[in-house]
Amino acid sequence: DAKTTQPNSMESNEEEPVHLPCNHSTISGTDYIHWYRQLPSQGPEYVIHGLTSNVNNRMASLAIAEDRKSSTLILHRATLRDAAVYYCILRSDSGAGSYQLTFGKGTKLSVIP
Amino acid sequence: GAGVSQSPSNKVTEKGKDVELRCDPISGHTALYWYRQRLGQGLEFLIYFQGNSAPDKSGLPSDRFSAERTGESVSTLTIQRTQQEDSAVYLCASRRRGARSGANVLTFGAGSRLTVL
Repeated sequence: DAKTTQPNSMESNEEEPVHLPCNHSTISGTDYIHWYRQLPSQGPEYVIHGLTSNVNNRMASLAIAEDRKSSTLILHRATLRDAAVYYCILRSDSGAGSYQLTFGKGTKLSVIP
Repeated sequence: GAGVSQSPSNKVTEKGKDVELRCDPISGHTALYWYRQRLGQGLEFLIYFQGNSAPDKSGLPSDRFSAERTGESVSTLTIQRTQQEDSAVYLCASRRRGARSGANVLTFGAGSRLTVL
């Protein structure tokens, strides 16, 4: 899998928007961009994914750069329950091992009341 | 069930003992993954099952680790002669059949926390 780079940690004030960046300069044309998050003492949970176009769902928005070498997960209004480690992962659509998700250390988001 | 169920949620064992961890995937999910997460670290891939195909065992760290899955149901991860470095949270995830592989989403269980004394 192509690698991703994320900041180790970020802070946000409650009820403010949060922009979590991810760099993936070696992304290939068949790589989907996935975001998962892991709340304390829980398994990771799916947040959102996209290929080329920006995506919105009830949890977040995903903004993908035009060259696809970076993306940003946007939480529109952070709550204390959003405090978690956020993982940006590339998932190939083809080839051997395409079923695997490789998790890095992610970004630890702290939300300040 | 509604989600991926793992048991036990916590297991404390003595060095040298064998342990067995269980994963019940979401009904109808054909693919099943095991990951390991050491304290403060990311997830390490261990093994992958897809239907009746041969599993991908490339992530198993040693021959003390093994996993089985019968059909598309329950999976067990067995660690023989446990060592202190095996202490970690063992996470199971499942995925439904179909859809382009790049878009497939994994659903994780809450994990089994193993402590080897």
